[in-house]
Amino acid sequence: GDSVTQMEGPVTLSEEAFLTINCTYTATGYPSLFWYVQYPGEGLQLLLKATKADDKGSNKGFEATYRKETTSFHLEKGSVQVSDSAVYFCALSSGYSTLTFGKGTMLLVSP
Amino acid sequence: NAGVTQTPKFQVLKTGQSMTLQCAQDMNHNSMYWYRQDPGMGLRLIYYSASEGTTDKGEVPNGYNVSRLNKREFSLRLESAAPSQTSVYFCASRPTADTQYFGPGTRLTVL
Repeated sequence: GDSVTQMEGPVTLSEEAFLTINCTYTATGYPSLFWYVQYPGEGLQLLLKATKADDKGSNKGFEATYRKETTSFHLEKGSVQVSDSAVYFCALSSGYSTLTFGKGTMLLVSP
Repeated sequence: NAGVTQTPKFQVLKTGQSMTLQCAQDMNHNSMYWYRQDPGMGLRLIYYSASEGTTDKGEVPNGYNVSRLNKREFSLRLESAAPSQTSVYFCASRPTADTQYFGPGTRLTVL
């Protein structure tokens, strides 16, 4: 079945540092890939998505590229802010109307 | 446009009590979902409804029932709550495209 594996956290960075959160997946067919973000005490919000190989999703300075050859969708940001502190979830949808989530990676950014 | 709303925000139950979690969306979405979120487990799908009048089991349906009352509303019922059902519950909805939109969550504690 489908599965998503993302790096365990917490990831602890100083403000303005470069961020990478790794995500790899296993799926049948050609899934769509997503990054969701959850701020403390809130629900999940879509951060970015990509629907086919080599697509790059981007939003709020975050980027992720759909790499079919390595089955990966790593999240990157060039310069993190304290306000980026949250839990980040990688997810996939393989056409059955449901999402499969990774376990989440907590990001802590200090001033 | 409120998006996805959930009630209540917090609930404490005793083992064996029953309750219904309510979810409503005002975006005219076809599909609706119930997830539970537990530490280190990510989000796991309990039940979903691909369209009004249909419901299907997800990954962890045992101990739960659902009702798709109409296109707007999708409720989750715990008939006899157990401590293992202590969790944060999220409702989500989805139009015809891939992206799901999440509610703010219900924090449930079963003593």
